[in-house]
Amino acid sequence: DVKVTQSSRYLVKRTGEKVFLECVQDMDHENMFWYRQDPGLGLRLIYFSYDVKMKEKGDIPEGYSVSREKKERFSLILESASTNQTSMYLCASSLGVNGQETQYFGPGTRLLVL
Amino acid sequence: GENVEQHPSTLSVQEGDSAVIKCTYSDSASNYFPWYKQELGKGPQLIIDIRSNVGEKKDQRIAVTLNKTAKHFSLHITETQPEDSAVYFCAASSEEYGNKLVFGAGTILRVKS
Repeated sequence: DVKVTQSSRYLVKRTGEKVFLECVQDMDHENMFWYRQDPGLGLRLIYFSYDVKMKEKGDIPEGYSVSREKKERFSLILESASTNQTSMYLCASSLGVNGQETQYFGPGTRLLVL
Repeated sequence: GENVEQHPSTLSVQEGDSAVIKCTYSDSASNYFPWYKQELGKGPQLIIDIRSNVGEKKDQRIAVTLNKTAKHFSLHITETQPEDSAVYFCAASSEEYGNKLVFGAGTILRVKS
């Protein structure tokens, strides 16, 4: 089974702090994704990566950056956390062969910014 | 860009009844339509998908139908059970943006026993 793990289930940070959310997948997938999930808005893509050191902006990249130094690990960085970044963050991965493939999600990190 | 609308936002059914969730999309180039189920405390999980060269697909108690002309697709769950209670998301993508899924807002399904 594909396993996607996220470093924290719950996180509380202060406004202005730098926040790192880590995601690891164990199935040698090429693609990795970061989404945020808000009630009534569904899942919105922040960034995705199709290879090591490669990244592409999603629909809502403002205020976020990402890092992919190793194939299995994809990090989401909030350079200076703000209260409007309080949300559920979901990481996902997919095989990366033909583009339209199953995405496997981690359990999510619920981030509260005070 | 693509926009996906999903209805209803909440759906309550009696155990054993059917449930239908509908989505519409805006980009006629979209050709892949997956459905994800998210149980409490877990990440979404793919339950069924359909591609534009197919009008209907079934997997046991769940089915998805696609109307490309009207640009809408629906999830049908028959003989609902309490374990079907979850949040369901539809999504759409095109070959041009193959890795990028655009999700609907989600439907909270409650199955009452």
